[in-house]
Amino acid sequence: GAGVSQSPSNKVTEKGKDVELRCDPISGHTALYWYRQSLGQGLEFLIYFQGNSAPDKSGLPSDRFSAERTGGSVSTLTIQRTQQEDSAVYLCASSLSWDRGPYEQYFGPGTRLTVT
Amino acid sequence: AQSVAQPEDQVNVAEGNPLTVKCTYSVSGNPYLFWYVQYPNRGLQFLLKYITGDNLVKGSYGFEAEFNKSQTSFHLKKPSALVSDSALYFCAVRDQASGGSYIPTFGRGTSLIVHP
Repeated sequence: GAGVSQSPSNKVTEKGKDVELRCDPISGHTALYWYRQSLGQGLEFLIYFQGNSAPDKSGLPSDRFSAERTGGSVSTLTIQRTQQEDSAVYLCASSLSWDRGPYEQYFGPGTRLTVT
Repeated sequence: AQSVAQPEDQVNVAEGNPLTVKCTYSVSGNPYLFWYVQYPNRGLQFLLKYITGDNLVKGSYGFEAEFNKSQTSFHLKKPSALVSDSALYFCAVRDQASGGSYIPTFGRGTSLIVHP
């Protein structure tokens, strides 16, 4: 079956512009995560959605970052007024609900964002 | 609070030799532990996980990991390395006592280089 997909695969934007990154999780996965991976760094947690519950936004680095998940499926991560330090690979992951067990995450290929 | 450490940024091994990638963790309760692999320009792929029970966990591509509670470690191992095993490896932990927080913490990653 289809895995997690992300679009675009690459995005180059000018400083100060807004960008939207999209994630299509695996069908039936109620949990969805966004991470940021910078060169030489590990995975930085950004935001977590679980079903219809309020998202855990504790990892968002500033109020320029926001995310939504429509219909419990597709998610969009929006970065407003991009800065050069936002340049990174943004990874999306989905999993079955952790309410029922510690399930592994399935990751998308990522969106490489470059802010010039 | 939960945390995980991968003390080696890079591990070098000759093809055919055994490999070990180290991971230590800290949790207040008992851990759920995961290993993921990231090939170049790809998202992370799940290798194996420890939930409970046998301390030796077998996973994909011939990898295994040993859970050691007294040493709070979960090292990844393979008896005979292949050049194609060269990749970035991530350890992740989630504290079973973390209540409603279903967010694993990832290590910074270890680059495994297998020489022909």
